[in-house]
Amino acid sequence: GEDVEQSLFLSVREGDSSVINCTYTDSSSTYLYWYKQEPGAGLQLLTYIFSNMDMKQDQRLTVLLNKKDKHLSLRIADTQTGDSAIYFCAESPGNLIFGKGTKLSVKP
Amino acid sequence: EAGVAQSPRYKIIEKRQSVAFWCNPISGHATLYWYQQILGQGPKLLIQFQNNGVVDDSQLPKDRFSAERLKGVDSTLKIQPAKLEDSAVYLCASSIGLSLSYEQYFGPGTRLTVT
Repeated sequence: GEDVEQSLFLSVREGDSSVINCTYTDSSSTYLYWYKQEPGAGLQLLTYIFSNMDMKQDQRLTVLLNKKDKHLSLRIADTQTGDSAIYFCAESPGNLIFGKGTKLSVKP
Repeated sequence: EAGVAQSPRYKIIEKRQSVAFWCNPISGHATLYWYQQILGQGPKLLIQFQNNGVVDDSQLPKDRFSAERLKGVDSTLKIQPAKLEDSAVYLCASSIGLSLSYEQYFGPGTRLTVT
């Protein structure tokens, strides 16, 4: 079945790295995505990775993809208080299938 | 560039009442999506339009939910009659086209509370 799994909470200190993990189910997903949702706002696309890639880096963000294990991770370097939000992983077997989101709390 | 606009931002109704939500996508975006986001969960696609045609409405509870995009621009989503379990944030998103390589831009959502 279609089920994207994420841990629900992550707490880090400002300046540390954050790693948010996700497992997905559909190996036919062409793209895998990370979205950010701040309180009272819609979702904002952070980054995405094409399924034939292992890694993608974009400034402070690093995405790692392990297709064998269907595991996706998002690393945020030098985490700031402004990074506090809910982060959603999504797969795309057809339309987007979202996980339940990981709430990242950044402590000063 | 203006983003995706949605109204109202908040709505409280009693069960069995009707409600309608409005979405104005980014100018020039042919594809429009409505998602339902229940508290503590990720968004779930309800319906997808390409211009004024429905591409996918397989997850839309058609006995009570309806949506239209008559002129291929703005869209309305209606619930009639509402149930308690319809309490959620309803998100509208738009993209340039159908390909998943195109970014979906989300509006701020309409938070519906059914009492």
